[in-house]
Amino acid sequence: DSGVTQTPKHLITATGQRVTLRCSPRSGDLSVYWYQQSLDQGLQFLIQYYNGEERAKGNILERFSAQQFPDLHSELNLSSLELGDSALYFCASSVDLRPDRGGGYTFGSGTRLTVV
Amino acid sequence: GDSVTQMEGPVTLSEEACLTINCTYTATGYPSLFWYVQYPGEGLQLLLKATKADDKGSNKGFEATYRKETTSFHLEKGSVQVSDSAVYFCALILNNNAGNMLTFGGGTRLMVKP
Repeated sequence: DSGVTQTPKHLITATGQRVTLRCSPRSGDLSVYWYQQSLDQGLQFLIQYYNGEERAKGNILERFSAQQFPDLHSELNLSSLELGDSALYFCASSVDLRPDRGGGYTFGSGTRLTVV
Repeated sequence: GDSVTQMEGPVTLSEEACLTINCTYTATGYPSLFWYVQYPGEGLQLLLKATKADDKGSNKGFEATYRKETTSFHLEKGSVQVSDSAVYFCALILNNNAGNMLTFGGGTRLMVKP
């Protein structure tokens, strides 16, 4: 157990629907990152939050949004889902804004989203 | 932009064989370098890291040396085991004001046969 908790582990939904993925960071970690892992795109950075504030954005579609709550858990909202959104979505956390000086990130086990 | 290039897999080896997975990077500054491992059905786990040139990261018999002159961070192990079968990702963090996200290579699948 890495200490980063993601729910649900699996999600199957239809095209056009909206889903919410949840992440609880490791205790004490203030920064949360979302990544998408797909067969054709590999691991892509989506978005980062630090202590409730958006810090950086990557290749995140406009149909996707995220937020970090006061208790530091984060949610990734995916709407108007398309078949191509099927992927493994990972959350990672780090204690501060310098994961390069420490151990990098701690990853959760991911949520596997299947859009049918 | 910053990028990481890994050798494509799968890499198939017999148990006790030597392993090298090549990784090179392109970055505008001085990144920290990482190897992550993903076992089937699991998330990514940090395997080893190096934060400056000539540093050697090591863990569980794996090693990688940060080579600034060749912009490389090749992963090596002298004797692989069946339990090492997994996907290995090389990654970098370039800390700057735009953020400090990990940039990953495409991953290399390693299959070790008994």
